[in-house]
Amino acid sequence: GAVVSQHPSRVICKSGTSVKIECRSLDFQATTMFWYRQFPKQSLMLMATSNEGSKATYEQGVEKDKFLINHASLTLSTLTVTSAHPEDSSFYICSAPPAAGTETQYFGPGTRLLVL
Amino acid sequence: LAKTTQPISMDSYEGQEVNITCSHNNIATNDYITWYQQFPSQGPRFIIQGYKTKVTNEVASLFIPADRKSSTLSLPRVSLSDTAVYYCLVGGEYNDYKLSFGAGTTVTVRA
Repeated sequence: GAVVSQHPSRVICKSGTSVKIECRSLDFQATTMFWYRQFPKQSLMLMATSNEGSKATYEQGVEKDKFLINHASLTLSTLTVTSAHPEDSSFYICSAPPAAGTETQYFGPGTRLLVL
Repeated sequence: LAKTTQPISMDSYEGQEVNITCSHNNIATNDYITWYQQFPSQGPRFIIQGYKTKVTNEVASLFIPADRKSSTLSLPRVSLSDTAVYYCLVGGEYNDYKLSFGAGTTVTVRA
């Protein structure tokens, strides 16, 4: 199946700093990517839709100024957590549909963020 | 987005067949049904997808009745490594691929 990678796999940062997480589609182009957040023992929660060439669309309750999304190319989307605080500690996962006409999307391995 | 309902947890033993039924009463005409598997600290992994009737691949089968208001994932002869959370989702290209995850089903396989 199609491969989606994320970098870094885990990151620890101090409160108040910004952290950038990359999501790459390795063997296909993705005009759309999705970002999710998952807290321990909970399900995935959709945060935003990353659109190549246009602004990201955010789900209700997600602060767009805190979670900056940039879809720089057809294979790369980045999520920057600005001024991170301990409550932002979570597991961040991206996904992308491999091609138009397919109904499946593939998920990255996730990035564990710990804010001290 | 269509909402899905699954059992919170299921227990099984190695070698048994596990069937997880998911309800999606509000499924739209163009929605596909997709099941994912997730291990701790990993992203969800695609298992199987279908639109209607029955789909089978090397790891699972998916049964979808004619009204499509539910679906059943069947895992044959589970092993300890099948212990995971299983998510049933509906959607697809028609609704811009947006997925709404429910709580999922935690399947625990014991020796």
